[in-house]
Amino acid sequence: GAGVSQSPSNKVTEKGKDVELRCDPISGHTALYWYRQSLGQGLEFLIYFQGNSAPDKSGLPSDRFSAERTGGSVSTLTIQRTQQEDSAVYLCASSSLAGGGEQFFGPGTRLTVL
Amino acid sequence: GNSVTQMEGPVTLSEEAFLTINCTYTATGYPSLFWYVQYPGEGLQLLLKATKADDKGSNKGFEATYRKETTSFHLEKGSVQVSDSAVYFCARTNAGGTSYGKLTFGQGTILTVHP
Repeated sequence: GAGVSQSPSNKVTEKGKDVELRCDPISGHTALYWYRQSLGQGLEFLIYFQGNSAPDKSGLPSDRFSAERTGGSVSTLTIQRTQQEDSAVYLCASSSLAGGGEQFFGPGTRLTVL
Repeated sequence: GNSVTQMEGPVTLSEEAFLTINCTYTATGYPSLFWYVQYPGEGLQLLLKATKADDKGSNKGFEATYRKETTSFHLEKGSVQVSDSAVYFCARTNAGGTSYGKLTFGQGTILTVHP
């Protein structure tokens, strides 16, 4: 597709369960970012992948959160043992240096932890 | 630290009114600055940007000037329309001269424009 896609668009889970959120960046974009948008915290950076470099994980809120990017393309954000405070919209963005680095955002995954 | 502070909303205006949404930042070095917009039911999209001091970003009638001396990047529009109703986010990266790198966002300002 032409833009960043994310799946699922909505996810409802029970407290304590694990969830996986997927991001398909724009083809050819070397950088991929995860952010979280919640009522209490606004928009927060979570993690950043750039090419083959080690990811910048400085925004991950706890060790229950992890992410990987396979083959320099698709990324999966995993939240283990979900808590109610994990409820938020998880946004993915991608960018290319050749494109000036502008970040293009996906529609997000709305996660609700009951 | 590196942060972004923008004026609290919500902001409610009549159509054709003048809009200002203030944004200030703290930074070590020279960041790149952005305004993002989120229309109802839509994803976040870049509205405008400035990557070095004194640059003016502009798009869709909106403007913002990178003011290093006041560490500000205020968003302005001379005549708002109902279709401008959205949430506006000021943001920065750490790297000047480019849009690359993780974004730090302000808290967002809800704008509602009435006919």
